[in-house]
Amino acid sequence: DGGITQSPKYLFRKEGQNVTLSCEQNLNHDAMYWYRQDPGQGLRLIYYSQIVNDFQKGDIAEGYSVSREKKESFPLTVTSAQKNPTAFYLCASSSRPTTDSNQPQHFGDGTRLSIL
Amino acid sequence: QKEVEQDPGPLSVPEGAIVSLNCTYSNSAFQYFMWYRQYSRKGPELLMYTYSSGNKEDGRFTAQVDKSSKYISLFIRDSQPSDSATYLCAMSSARPGNQFYFGTGTSLTVIP
Repeated sequence: DGGITQSPKYLFRKEGQNVTLSCEQNLNHDAMYWYRQDPGQGLRLIYYSQIVNDFQKGDIAEGYSVSREKKESFPLTVTSAQKNPTAFYLCASSSRPTTDSNQPQHFGDGTRLSIL
Repeated sequence: QKEVEQDPGPLSVPEGAIVSLNCTYSNSAFQYFMWYRQYSRKGPELLMYTYSSGNKEDGRFTAQVDKSSKYISLFIRDSQPSDSATYLCAMSSARPGNQFYFGTGTSLTVIP
């Protein structure tokens, strides 16, 4: 079945530690996204990538980093610089939008990150 | 002012009721509108995707867009306990980049 796989489902971070969240898709989508979901705040965009080896910062990129070496994979690293990392992290993907058509995003089942 | 406003609820209805969920927005450039359903500890699942104004129906779900009022709605007919979830609206403009703006979600409980 085609879909988006995020791992792990739960992750714990110690002070000063970097952690990496995995996101893999087999939908042959060009574009991939990372969001952070906090209670009462909705989804906030961290980073997005429209094509391999290219990515752009979203609204809350500070303290996070990404890479896009393969079309199928878009890992997110939460660095020690992110002082409030506890949240539910969602990865999404979509077909590449054309000049006259936007494309809906499809989501994985998320990773819940907590501080130890 | 937030780009997208959505009443967080919670909303509680008896089984079989018609549910109306709504979002308002401020950016007149938005042309693509989506509704997602999110169960607890899961990712959002795309329910409806519409372009510009008008209605779209899919089974028990109807999405309605009123661009003149900057108002979108999702109607659920014959609601079921399995419809209990958080519903997120999302929207974007036609500009390349595909950045979507999400509402905070409305929590719905359908009571058997």
